[in-house]
Amino acid sequence: EVQLVQSGAEMKKPGESLKISCKTSGYSFSNYWIAWVRQRPGKGLEWMGIIHPGASDIRYSPTFEGQVTISADKAISTTYLQWGSLKASDTAIYYCAKTGADGNWFDPWGQGTLVIVSS
Amino acid sequence: DIVLTQSPDFQSVTPKEKVTITCRASQSIGSNLHWYQQKPDQSPTLLIKYASRPFSGVPSRFSGSGSETYFTLTINSLEVEDAATYYCHQSSSLPLTFGGGTKVEIK
Repeated sequence: EVQLVQSGAEMKKPGESLKISCKTSGYSFSNYWIAWVRQRPGKGLEWMGIIHPGASDIRYSPTFEGQVTISADKAISTTYLQWGSLKASDTAIYYCAKTGADGNWFDPWGQGTLVIVSS
Repeated sequence: DIVLTQSPDFQSVTPKEKVTITCRASQSIGSNLHWYQQKPDQSPTLLIKYASRPFSGVPSRFSGSGSETYFTLTINSLEVEDAATYYCHQSSSLPLTFGGGTKVEIK
């Protein structure tokens, strides 16, 4: 069974750094893209970027380029999303999602990581 | 960027009614349009891929159609468990984008 298990909720102050994780299992990690998606409170889904661990290929949405860094560790089948300096507007649930074999649709999704940024 | 516009934003529906949600793309995306369901406090799940292909395990009351710039998601005979927000998503070109969502409430 394919599973994506995300790290736990975080409460941070503005200006702090953060790295959240998405640990995968049940499939060949290097062969599929994994996407990161933001959902602000009460709002819709926003695509942040996508990584192909095997090809070391990363693409960002222009909205998020320079604001976050996506990375992966093939040895432990885990992908990461990190911030160097958080803002209150980063408060959201962040989901990772595996793509299908052709890289187009997302399934399954992780359970989400709630990040709250508040002074 | 390709903008996906969903309508309606909200729909209140009686069980067993038929629901139709539309998703319009700002430019042609072929059939590279996928539908997701997000129930309250849950992660999204895939319903339909490539406009009309039901994902494994999805109940047959869910169907999708359309191509190029106009797409629809239909729920035949709505059930109480279908209360959720539905999103369309295009994979035709980067950046990937989602529609704004359609919330379906049960009357």
